[in-house]
Amino acid sequence: DQQVKQNSPSLSVQEGRISILNCDYTNSMFDYFLWYKKYPAEGPTFLISISSIKDKNEDGRFTVFLNKSAKHLSLHIVPSQPGDSAVYFCAAATDKLIFGTGTRLQVFP
Amino acid sequence: DGGITQSPKYLFRKEGQNVTLSCEQNLNHDAMYWYRQDPGQGLRLIYYSQIVNDFQKGDIAEGYSVSREKKESFPLTVTSAQKNPTAFYLCASSIARDNEQFFGPGTRLTVL
Repeated sequence: DQQVKQNSPSLSVQEGRISILNCDYTNSMFDYFLWYKKYPAEGPTFLISISSIKDKNEDGRFTVFLNKSAKHLSLHIVPSQPGDSAVYFCAAATDKLIFGTGTRLQVFP
Repeated sequence: DGGITQSPKYLFRKEGQNVTLSCEQNLNHDAMYWYRQDPGQGLRLIYYSQIVNDFQKGDIAEGYSVSREKKESFPLTVTSAQKNPTAFYLCASSIARDNEQFFGPGTRLTVL
């Protein structure tokens, strides 16, 4: 049973535009959510997180939104840059991290 | 520099052989984790350890074993009992169980 889902396996966005990556979860006990970015053949790197008591967290070009009633999480990247091209994983935490399957973002010029 | 190292980056083994993947961290983190990534799938937890000399099974522990004799080290052994060992293996650590995890560069294991 996939508790954390990223239903879009890929996303293509033009440079300068907004990238929106989505994540849905099923377990209302998750109390912390994270986004990781991963390049091929490398380990994921932490991007941004949000506690379940908040609905928004912003860090530079990256903003994460949490809608608890919908059990939905999204990552906004504005403006998108070619260097943002990577696989993005959302993760949800209780006593361990549960990762989604990832969304491959491609930012083209 | 502080960080997590995994070695080697690429590893080839014959079917039926046990192989041990190294993971070392100098971040003074208490918790360490092993994940496996397969194409089109998220990261799946194999084992984790919250403290020295203690570790817990994750979601896909069968065919794997670990040890945590030192805080800095959390080696993973892929045994011959693991049916599909070819994968990308990632080690991670965190200050405590629920905190942000920092990942190593990964080891790609190919069993021939």
